[in-house]
Amino acid sequence: AQSVTQLDSQVPVFEEAPVELRCNYSSSVSVYLFWYVQYPNQGLQLLLKYLSGSTLVKGINGFEAEFNKSQTSFHLRKPSVHISDTAEYFCAVTLNTGGFKTIFGAGTRLFVKA
Amino acid sequence: GAGVSQSPSNKVTEKGKDVELRCDPISGHTALYWYRQSLGQGLEFLIYFQGNSAPDKSGLPSDRFSAERTGGSVSTLTIQRTQQEDSAVYLCASSPRLASYNEQFFGPGTRLTVL
Repeated sequence: AQSVTQLDSQVPVFEEAPVELRCNYSSSVSVYLFWYVQYPNQGLQLLLKYLSGSTLVKGINGFEAEFNKSQTSFHLRKPSVHISDTAEYFCAVTLNTGGFKTIFGAGTRLFVKA
Repeated sequence: GAGVSQSPSNKVTEKGKDVELRCDPISGHTALYWYRQSLGQGLEFLIYFQGNSAPDKSGLPSDRFSAERTGGSVSTLTIQRTQQEDSAVYLCASSPRLASYNEQFFGPGTRLTVL
C-alpha cells in the first residue's frame, strides 16, 4: 500500500533563509508526486507536480522539488522564503497504473519569521 | 471562473443527528473527490466520482457515510447518526477528468463540529 511521510510537522525559518520540506513515500509501483499548499483560511492549491522526465521540478512562487527514486523522496525547496510563504504544505502521491486514490502526507506547517 | 464551492462553511450539530454537506465543482469537471481533514492529520481520502458513478467506496469510514452525485455536477456527502469523532474539515476537490496525473482543485471546506 502507498504511504506518504512528511518528516517535519513544523518548520520555523527566518525570512530570506532557505528552506527544505521533506517528503518520503512508499509504494510498490510507480507514482506521480505532488506538493499542495494551503494558505491560512484558503483551500489547497497545487504548487508543483512530478509525472516523468527531469527529476527537478519547478513550481509557483519560486519553489522547486527533486524526485529521488532510489531514496523514494520528493523534497520541496526554496532558496529564500518570504513572510507570505507561511502556510501548510502537503505532499501527495497517486499511482500511475490507473489508481485514482490520492494519498496525502500529514502536512508541514512552514512559519516564516521576520 | 468560479472555483469549487462548498456549503455550509461551518456546521455544528448534536451527536446522533444527520448532516448533509454539499460540493459544487468547477463547471465541466467530471471528476470529483471528497476528503476529510482532522486536526493535526493529513487529508484522508473518502471517495471519488467519475460523472455520477463512484466505483470505489472503500475509503468511507463507516456505513454511516454515503455520497452521491447527480447530473454530473453537485455532490452531497451525508453522515448519518453523527459521532464526535466525525468532527473534522470535509474537503471537496474536482478535476477536468479522472486521471491520476491531474491536478485537483479544492474547495474551502466544511468545518463540521459534532457536540
